[in-house]
Amino acid sequence: AQSVTQPDIHITVSEGASLELRCNYSYGATPYLFWYVQSPGQGLQLLLKYFSGDTLVQGIKGFEAEFKRSQSSFNLRKPSVHWSDAAEYFCAVGPYTGTASKLTFGTGTRLQVTL
Amino acid sequence: DTGVSQDPRHKITKRGQNVTFRCDPISEHNRLYWYRQTLGQGPEFLTYFQNEAQLEKSRLLSDRFSAERPKGSFSTLEIQRTEQGDSAMYLCASSRGQGETQYFGPGTRLLVL
Repeated sequence: AQSVTQPDIHITVSEGASLELRCNYSYGATPYLFWYVQSPGQGLQLLLKYFSGDTLVQGIKGFEAEFKRSQSSFNLRKPSVHWSDAAEYFCAVGPYTGTASKLTFGTGTRLQVTL
Repeated sequence: DTGVSQDPRHKITKRGQNVTFRCDPISEHNRLYWYRQTLGQGPEFLTYFQNEAQLEKSRLLSDRFSAERPKGSFSTLEIQRTEQGDSAMYLCASSRGQGETQYFGPGTRLLVL
């Protein structure tokens, strides 16, 4: 069964500092990997995705993530955090082939940004 | 591309009542998904449709839950005889097809008193 672990429940960084949010996944085949962001009371917005190819993927709002198959990780990074980045971040894994389509999400990491 | 829309955005109901939520996917997206998100958790898959066919249902979807997608356009999720444990955010997403990115709506937040 597929699963996602986000070990950090809550992270606080200062505005302008760098950020790395961790994500580890378990999946038996080549996965689709996603990072979504959710502001309070809102739906999920896609930040970036990895399907295949270059293991470093660029997303919106200056975010990037690196797929490391050997570590089963897909960590999200941003070199300089802005106060507007404060939100909840979810990593998700989905199937690459077959008929199944569901995404499995981690429990999320809440990012707080101090000024 | 107007995005995925959901209605209502908020619903408060008393235990035992029935509620129905609507989701309008991005036009020409043939896959539609329902997820449930409780406080402090990530979204959990409930069910999905390809066009009008419901292809997969989670064990989370008890007999009190039913979803439809008539004519392969909008979808409804009905909860009968609501319980306090049904209180959650219900999220809808749509995609062009298998393996394509899922785009989420703003969600319907349900509170069962």
